[in-house]
Amino acid sequence: AQSVTQLDSQVPVFEEAPVELRCNYSSSVSVYLFWYVQYPNQGLQLLLKYLSGSTLVKGINGFEAEFNKSQTSFHLRKPSVHISDTAEYFCAVRINQAGTALIFGKGTTLSVSS
Amino acid sequence: DTAVSQTPKYLVTQMGNDKSIKCEQNLGHDTMYWYKQDSKKFLKIMFSYNNKELIINETVPNRFSPKSPDKAHLNLHINSLELGDSAVYFCASSLADLSTDTQYFGPGTRLTVL
Repeated sequence: AQSVTQLDSQVPVFEEAPVELRCNYSSSVSVYLFWYVQYPNQGLQLLLKYLSGSTLVKGINGFEAEFNKSQTSFHLRKPSVHISDTAEYFCAVRINQAGTALIFGKGTTLSVSS
Repeated sequence: DTAVSQTPKYLVTQMGNDKSIKCEQNLGHDTMYWYKQDSKKFLKIMFSYNNKELIINETVPNRFSPKSPDKAHLNLHINSLELGDSAVYFCASSLADLSTDTQYFGPGTRLTVL
């Protein structure tokens, strides 16, 4: 079975500061990795994903993540955050079989203040 | 252009009632999902359909019954609603192609059982 641990439930930062949201996963088989963002009272939007290839993945809104197989991590980073980045961020994994479900972490609340 | 749509967006009902949530996708995807997000924002898969066939059925009370009339629709019917069913329900869809497989989420349906 697969599992995802998001190490921080809440991350408060000031505007224009860098941020890292941590995600570790556990799986006995190869997995694909995803980060989704959920703005208040909205659905989930894909930020970025790792399927294969380069371990550094760039996504929307200036976010990037690095897949580290030895540490089973997929941390999300942004060099300079904006107030509008305030949202819930979910890390998720899926085994590399088409049509299988996402296994989500419990989410990290990113709060950006001025 | 709405990719994955759900109706209704909000649903308030009394315990014991039967209700349905509808989901439609216009992305040409062949796989659809229902996820439940609880009050702590934890997301968990409930069901998954591929080409109208049930492929994932997690441990969900049999009061919940998904129905897929065609590849573009996956509805969720809930009988005898209970207080614990209060949650946000998300529909998602994907193409069963490992090279591009990304799940796109609807805006969610917030169900409140009184």
